[in-house]
Amino acid sequence: SQQGEEDPQALSIQEGENATMNCSYKTSINNLQWYRQNSGRGLVHLILIRSNEREKHSGRLRVTLDTSKKSSSLLITASRAADTASYFCATESLSGNTPLVFGKGTRLSVIA
Amino acid sequence: ETGVTQTPRHLVMGMTNKKSLKCEQHLGHNAMYWYKQSAKKPLELMFVYNFKEQTENNSVPSRFSPECPNSSHLFLHLHTLQPEDSALYLCASSSPGRMNTEAFFGQGTRLTVV
Repeated sequence: SQQGEEDPQALSIQEGENATMNCSYKTSINNLQWYRQNSGRGLVHLILIRSNEREKHSGRLRVTLDTSKKSSSLLITASRAADTASYFCATESLSGNTPLVFGKGTRLSVIA
Repeated sequence: ETGVTQTPRHLVMGMTNKKSLKCEQHLGHNAMYWYKQSAKKPLELMFVYNFKEQTENNSVPSRFSPECPNSSHLFLHLHTLQPEDSALYLCASSSPGRMNTEAFFGQGTRLTVV
């Protein structure tokens, strides 16, 4: 299985602090993606990092990928209360023809 | 809005009822998926349809019956469900085969079986 496993399962921080979430996976991938889910809603794609990329930025998001360790991290800088949500990583296989597989996610709480 | 619409948003049904969940996308995607999300569990992939053909059935009980009449619509027919089937059911679509594309999710149907 190339299921992503996020760590930690839950994270609580103060507004303005940075939040770091980690993801590990098991098999070779084409890319790794991060999604966000507000409580009881659908998932929204945040950022995609390809296997030949090591770091990617999008606004306050910074994603790193270490294919040798089969791990990725998502950093949210200067967090806001509105960032409170669950964050999931998912991997796309080398063939690109298999569906994304998600882990349990990290529940982030940003306290104002 | 993600371009993937699910109805209804909430559903309460008895164990003897028959109901259907609907998912619709007009993003031009050729693959559609049903996921189940229970509390404190990973997202569970249930079914995959690619170009209207079911390509994956992840050992889902027969009380869940999917239908994909065309690439834009996906249904999940429910009958004789159990209380443990209560969960958030998410539909997603994507264009597999085109590398480095993301999945688009609907808002989900919150199902409660009583």
